[in-house]
Amino acid sequence: GNSVTQMEGPVTLSEEAFLTINCTYTATGYPSLFWYVQYPGEGLQLLLKATKADDKGSNKGFEATYRKETTSFHLEKGSVQVSDSAVYFCALIGGSYIPTFGRGTSLIVHP
Amino acid sequence: KAGVTQTPRYLIKTRGQQVTLSCSPISGHRSVSWYQQTPGQGLQFLFEYFSETQRNKGNFPGRFSGRQFSNSRSEMNVSTLELGDSALYLCASSGGDRDTEAFFGQGTRLTVV
Repeated sequence: GNSVTQMEGPVTLSEEAFLTINCTYTATGYPSLFWYVQYPGEGLQLLLKATKADDKGSNKGFEATYRKETTSFHLEKGSVQVSDSAVYFCALIGGSYIPTFGRGTSLIVHP
Repeated sequence: KAGVTQTPRYLIKTRGQQVTLSCSPISGHRSVSWYQQTPGQGLQFLFEYFSETQRNKGNFPGRFSGRQFSNSRSEMNVSTLELGDSALYLCASSGGDRDTEAFFGQGTRLTVV
């Protein structure tokens, strides 16, 4: 079946540091890939998505590129802010329409 | 437009009881999915309803069931509650296509005592 693997957290950074959260996936065919963010006490919000190989999703300074050759969709941001502190989920949707989520990576940004 | 609304936000139940959670999707969305989120297991897919039919189902026991009404509103029912059912239950709605974004509600926090 499909699976998504994210790096273990928490990731702790100082403000303005560079962020990378790794995500790799296993799926048949050509899934769509997503990053969601969950702030404390909230549901998940879509951060960005990519629907085919080599697509780059971007939003609010975050970027991720769909790499089919390495089955990866790593999340990056050049300069994080305290307000970026949240839990980030990598997810895919394949042909079965069942979304598969990673375990989530907690990001803590210190001033 | 209004987002996904889940009610109630918080619920405390006793072991052995049953509970019904409600989800109102974004207007026009025909797909509603339910997830269980716990610190130990992360986000686990329960089931998805599309146009009043269960289209997909995760690996949960039969105590977990759901339904969708003609207006796309969905309910999830858990019978014979167990302590391990304590979790945040999230509902997400979408247009139903593979590439479309899922919009999540704030969730219902269920505590079983």
